[in-house]
Amino acid sequence: ETGVTQSPTHLIKTRGQQVTLRCSSQSGHNTVSWYQQALGQGPQFIFQYYREEENGRGNFPPRFSGLQFPNYSSELNVNALELDDSALYLCASSLGDRVEQFFGPGTRLTVL
Amino acid sequence: EDQVTQSPEALRLQEGESSSLNCSYTVSGLRGLFWYRQDPGKGPEFLFTLYSAGEEKEKERLKATLTKKESFLHITAPKPEDSATYLCAVCEASGTYKYIFGTGTRLKVLA
Repeated sequence: ETGVTQSPTHLIKTRGQQVTLRCSSQSGHNTVSWYQQALGQGPQFIFQYYREEENGRGNFPPRFSGLQFPNYSSELNVNALELDDSALYLCASSLGDRVEQFFGPGTRLTVL
Repeated sequence: EDQVTQSPEALRLQEGESSSLNCSYTVSGLRGLFWYRQDPGKGPEFLFTLYSAGEEKEKERLKATLTKKESFLHITAPKPEDSATYLCAVCEASGTYKYIFGTGTRLKVLA
């Protein structure tokens, strides 16, 4: 069984740029969620995708957008990067309407 | 406002000294409450899901319990390798899915 994988591991961008982060779900999982975790804080829910449709969203602005592909992999896109976007971005997958999620290792984004 | 509060923020225990971590929550409806373990710089590792008040689950030295307003993670005879941040989260039962995490309890177990 393959766990959740994310790429890249680390990324450095400058303010105003755009970034795309990628996630491959755990084998057999068709639901994916994205989280932002600032240092010393708990993960903040960005959104969830099920069968390529967004079915849940946290309190993040529209410049945070996502995609889920037919193979259930996913992308998180962030436009017009701000310094406060520096964080660990986590992807989590789950199966159907089961609510327990399994996390990947994360992508560390630094915005300068 | 829906929220999850964990206490204490940090906890230092001697090896073998049992204790409990608390997670209190306020949500309009609960689909599930989760406990995760997170090591520095890594993604959270799933431990338990609890669905209804009165439910209990155990795994090795860990036992999670749930009431209508809070959950406890009991750690029995901890070892240094149990040192980590323990995160509590809820999935609220609104029309769409929304997950809320607490800020975690940083546990340090001393040999």
